[in-house]
Amino acid sequence: DIQMTQSPSSLSASVGDRVTITCRASQSISSYLHWYQQRPGKAPKLLIYSASTLQSGVPPRFSGSGSGTDFTLTISSLQPEDLATYYCQQSFSSPRTFGQGTRVEIK
Amino acid sequence: EEQLVESGGGLVQPGGSLRLSCAASGFALRSYSMNWVRQAPGKGLEWISYISSSSGIKSYADSVKGRFTIYRDNAKNSLYLQMNSMRVEDTAVYYCATERFDPFDPWGQGTLVTVSS
Repeated sequence: DIQMTQSPSSLSASVGDRVTITCRASQSISSYLHWYQQRPGKAPKLLIYSASTLQSGVPPRFSGSGSGTDFTLTISSLQPEDLATYYCQQSFSSPRTFGQGTRVEIK
Repeated sequence: EEQLVESGGGLVQPGGSLRLSCAASGFALRSYSMNWVRQAPGKGLEWISYISSSSGIKSYADSVKGRFTIYRDNAKNSLYLQMNSMRVEDTAVYYCATERFDPFDPWGQGTLVTVSS
């Protein structure tokens, strides 16, 4: 199975800050990497697919980059509603695996 | 609006069984592969099962293989997960999720399953 490792596990930032979350795959997954946002008590929601494509309706302050084994999710200007846990997921091979999540808190 | 709604969660004793349902509205489930993903309390997301649109391909995580069965009824626009020989460690919120072209989207709101004596 492909292991997905996110860092950091949690972070605290102020409104307006630039936030970066990284995701590393245990082997190359090309661009088969997706990002999800899970707000407290809610279901996960697709943010970015295929490493860098913004899902319809997602604010443009979110962006993704990377290919191969190293990927990044960036929030250009953190907003209060971005309080959530963010997960990466690979779809290069089965089983589909998720990173352990990164909790984003607002200072 | 495209929506998935899970049901069937609840309290079950260790060794017991439960069947979860996932009903789609606003789109035809028959065209897409489907998945079940679970989340134990305070933990991350764990994929547990997959079924292709025609039901020809099914797969399971090792943690549930031999105990859980995924199936679908495209005529009823619904997905199911039959869970047998349940364990305390199966306690989680269970989500169904559509795999339309690659990522999981949309997801249902989740249904809580608690395994306890």
